[in-house]
Amino acid sequence: QQPVQSPQAVILREGEDAVINCSSSKALYSVHWYRQKHGEAPVFLMILLKGGEQKGHEKISASFNEKKQQSSLYLTASQLSYSGTYFCGTGGTGNQFYFGTGTSLTVIP
Amino acid sequence: KAGVTQTPRYLIKTRGQQVTLSCSPISGHRSVSWYQQTPGQGLQFLFEYFSETQRNKGNFPGRFSGRQFSNSRSEMNVSTLELGDSALYLCASSLAGRGDTEAFFGQGTRLTVV
Repeated sequence: QQPVQSPQAVILREGEDAVINCSSSKALYSVHWYRQKHGEAPVFLMILLKGGEQKGHEKISASFNEKKQQSSLYLTASQLSYSGTYFCGTGGTGNQFYFGTGTSLTVIP
Repeated sequence: KAGVTQTPRYLIKTRGQQVTLSCSPISGHRSVSWYQQTPGQGLQFLFEYFSETQRNKGNFPGRFSGRQFSNSRSEMNVSTLELGDSALYLCASSLAGRGDTEAFFGQGTRLTVV
């Protein structure tokens, strides 16, 4: 049930863009995106719901393809603070999520 | 308002012992989920409690158990510890316990089994 994320790791220079993909073998009700910095708790970025509704931070954008059971997170004009590990979580109607193994993003000056 | 609080932050236990971890959710949140995080497996769902009832359970052995109290605080217990149980254990609280609301994570308890 664990979704698959790609790429596993990416290194960017400040100002560059990145896309992180999340794919599930199960039908999705929602996709959640979190970012975790080393030694810290995962922090909420965005929720994408069936039907197109999105909730999250204004500077983050993402897509959700229900038919393909895929989601993508778009990071544009990256900043040093974007560095961390990004997780997508897929779940049902409750507060349980199956998270991918994460994508390590490093932004360098 | 206060965030999700997990105690203790660090624990070292011996193989075969048992351990209890605690999670205090954000005030008003009724749903608490637990996750195990390891470098190789990422974040793996353990179980979810909502209003003192276990609502969902992940694919972990029966040595892993939990409960939730009337004030929504939750505890997780692992019995007969194994070396492979060494991990960061995270809990996440949610206001409504639905998939359309964000979850807030605690800092986690890092358990080391020796």
